[in-house]
Amino acid sequence: GIQVEQSPPDLILQEGANSTLRCNFSDSVNNLQWFHQNPWGQLINLFYIPSGTKQNGRLSATTVATERYSLLYISSSQTTDSGVYFCAVSDAGAGSYQLTFGKGTKLSVIP
Amino acid sequence: DAGVTQSPTHLIKTRGQHVTLRCSPISGHKSVSWYQQVLGQGPQFIFQYYEKEERGRGNFPDRFSARQFPNYSSELNVNALLLGDSALYLCASSTGLAGEFGSNEQFFGPGTRLTVL
Repeated sequence: GIQVEQSPPDLILQEGANSTLRCNFSDSVNNLQWFHQNPWGQLINLFYIPSGTKQNGRLSATTVATERYSLLYISSSQTTDSGVYFCAVSDAGAGSYQLTFGKGTKLSVIP
Repeated sequence: DAGVTQSPTHLIKTRGQHVTLRCSPISGHKSVSWYQQVLGQGPQFIFQYYEKEERGRGNFPDRFSARQFPNYSSELNVNALLLGDSALYLCASSTGLAGEFGSNEQFFGPGTRLTVL
């Protein structure tokens, strides 16, 4: 099946700093989503981005499908950005909507 | 608008028991998927249902089963519980409309945290 690798696994930032999270995937995808998981376990949708670039406030994401990677940018980080960020993809050839998740990047933003 | 809802929020069972978890999708969404997330890992796909039919199944034993009802809500059943079934169980919904852009974007509920003793 499709493989998803996220880097870095852990990231500690000073409040106000910028960061880039990376997601590599091993095959063609028809879905790529970025999520933020809060301490209570809720997965919050950040971006639906199988290709192209999107921005939402301090967050932006870019997916280069032909090179099989996606990047999530966080600018001017805040303590509320802390948590685990997941990249998840659907294999274009799988015939179902199943998402395969990476292991996540644990972000800690300190004041 | 209401998001995906799941019940119960928490559940404690003992080994060998059976459990039923419930999920209601976002209004208008016809596809429901189930995921298991153990501590420290990303969610793992269990099942996907669309229009009451199973469309995908992950690498889980036959102790796991699911179904979708005419109102598109869904149940996940787990028989003969093992300690290793302790996890957060997540339900996700999507529109599922073939050919529609974004129809496979999934929205997750808050999860059911299952503890098996």
